[in-house]
Amino acid sequence: GAGVSQSPSNKVTEKGKDVELRCDPISGHTALYWYRQSLGQGLEFLIYFQGNSAPDKSGLPSDRFSAERTGGSVSTLTIQRTQQEDSAVYLCASSLGHTQYFGPGTRLTVL
Amino acid sequence: DQQVKQNSPSLSVQEGRISILNCDYTNSMFDYFLWYKKYPAEGPTFLISISSIKDKNEDGRFTVFLNKSAKHLSLHIVPSQPGDSAVYFCAASRTTDSWGKLQFGAGTQVVVTP
Repeated sequence: GAGVSQSPSNKVTEKGKDVELRCDPISGHTALYWYRQSLGQGLEFLIYFQGNSAPDKSGLPSDRFSAERTGGSVSTLTIQRTQQEDSAVYLCASSLGHTQYFGPGTRLTVL
Repeated sequence: DQQVKQNSPSLSVQEGRISILNCDYTNSMFDYFLWYKKYPAEGPTFLISISSIKDKNEDGRFTVFLNKSAKHLSLHIVPSQPGDSAVYFCAASRTTDSWGKLQFGAGTQVVVTP
């Protein structure tokens, strides 16, 4: 079956511009997560959605970051007024139980 | 603060031998642990997990050991194969905290040599 998909696979943007990253989770998975991996670092939790509950936004680094999940499926992570330190690989994962399954990621480069 | 630590950034092992990857954690509330493998330009792939009610879980060539008193877990790969060359991440979560967010270690780069 289809795994988690993310688009675009690569995004290059200029400092100050807004970007939107998309995640399509595995069908039927109730939980969806966003992480990011900066160069040479481990994965850093950003936000997660579980069913209809309010999302856990505790990992978002600033109010420039936001995410939504429409219809309990597709999610969009939005970064406003991008900064160079936002450059990273943004990974989405989904789960039905405790094990999270990851997409291939979006590599964001802010010039 | 880094609640999950992988102190070895890299490991080189000969094909056919055992690879042992280590992971330490500081939060005693963690009750579920996972290992992921990651190739360049791909997302992490789930390998194996263990609940805190167990001290060992085995799946084929992969075995994870959990020592709760030492807050330590390890992943054994035997025998190691060239396709095992990748970055391995240890992750931990509190399942009592809904499904929980994963806290990841920084990863260990494994290179399996012929």
